[in-house]
Amino acid sequence: EPEVTQTPSHQVTQMGQEVILRCVPISNHLYFYWYRQILGQKVEFLVSFYNNEISEKSEIFDDQFSVERPDGSNFTLKIRSTKLEDSAMYFCASTPSRRGGVDTQYFGPGTRLTVL
Amino acid sequence: GDSVTQMEGPVTLSEEAFLTINCTYTATGYPSLFWYVQYPGEGLQLLLKATKADDKGSNKGFEATYRKETTSFHLEKGSVQVSDSAVYFCALSVEYNTDKLIFGTGTRLQVFP
Repeated sequence: EPEVTQTPSHQVTQMGQEVILRCVPISNHLYFYWYRQILGQKVEFLVSFYNNEISEKSEIFDDQFSVERPDGSNFTLKIRSTKLEDSAMYFCASTPSRRGGVDTQYFGPGTRLTVL
Repeated sequence: GDSVTQMEGPVTLSEEAFLTINCTYTATGYPSLFWYVQYPGEGLQLLLKATKADDKGSNKGFEATYRKETTSFHLEKGSVQVSDSAVYFCALSVEYNTDKLIFGTGTRLQVFP
């Protein structure tokens, strides 16, 4: 069964450094998402992406964050200058269509980001 | 704003025990409701869903009924197995023209033989 993959599984970085988290969505999917979960807190929506542009973003997704689909298969989340509070598990998801959440979002296993 | 509240874990049960994980929600519109499960080392997987009031979602022996009057979507299973040990997330999606999911904090279930 096709699945969403994410790399790396764990990323450790120094505060102020740039990080890029990578995701490979399911190949025929058109809508892509990033979520994050700070330890002990809720899974939070960050951004959704369709047709090479952001379709929705949350308040968390400020100018330090950006997303890109550079080559038609990868979907990346970049954090320009990491802060301690960016430490979290980041989940990528994809779905073939957009029907108000009724269609299943397929999630990757997550990347744990630790900012020191 | 829209939100989901789940019971805190961990929930620890013996094999074949009855499971209930409580989930309540607050939403301004007419939400669709979901349960996702995360097994160790894996991504979030959709377990079941319900899109309107009184609908019952079911999968792998798990059930949840969309109760609009109590704004709840409690997850139940009659007889848990060790293989059900995982983290369970309740989630909702509210508006037709937005596709984001709003999650609860997750509840860890540990089943012992």
